[in-house]
Amino acid sequence: QSVLTQTPSASGTPGQRVTISCSGSTSNIGSNSVNWYHQVPGTAPKLLIYSNNQRPSGVPDRFSGSKSGTSASLAISGLQSEDEADYFCAAWDDSLNGWLFGGGTKLTVL
Amino acid sequence: QITLKESGPTLVKPTQTLTLTCTCSGFSLRTSGVGVGWIRQPPGKALEWLAFIYWNDDKRYSPSLRNRLTITKDTSKNQVVLTMTNMDPVDTATYYCAHSPTYYYDIGGYHNWFDPWGQGTLVTVSS
Repeated sequence: QSVLTQTPSASGTPGQRVTISCSGSTSNIGSNSVNWYHQVPGTAPKLLIYSNNQRPSGVPDRFSGSKSGTSASLAISGLQSEDEADYFCAAWDDSLNGWLFGGGTKLTVL
Repeated sequence: QITLKESGPTLVKPTQTLTLTCTCSGFSLRTSGVGVGWIRQPPGKALEWLAFIYWNDDKRYSPSLRNRLTITKDTSKNQVVLTMTNMDPVDTATYYCAHSPTYYYDIGGYHNWFDPWGQGTLVTVSS
């Protein structure tokens, strides 16, 4: 069981705004930055957001990240069919001295 | 362009030792701040971080698997090797290696991320 908790599924229609949440604790999200990865089934994960709210080059500004306390959120605006994927949050945990990943959220575009 | 590619056996028997190699290109394992991590994903399940090695040979391991894992690097070949002993069917998963471009600490804590990832290699543990 992942220590970073994500809602297992989310959905939206094209053009909508969807938010995916990630809940942790003071030893991980509360103390360190959060990264978000997305994964189309059958392919490798790709970095979507790093350091809470930074987008790598090539990631559209429809994707944004935020963090407050021991929780983080990924927002996707102007939802598109190609956004259908699994989304994972991740953060360093000071107690474990390593990374934790969330359980993943499967996003469906209706 | 940075790329990583995992290689190793696709099938191992229970109790055997798994050795996976991550061949890196487009960056040097000698570069200050660089690191490589290993992450696995059982079929249909979440990602699980396993191990990480920094450019200076500092290493980190998942506490739950620490006694079974060893991570090393060969800078001459630009490869990172992960060994996992006493394999069990529950270790069946796709194993990924991933590049970490840098890390730093600030008021927001520790910043480090994986980008890009290798394509992954599926390892099945079965007799």
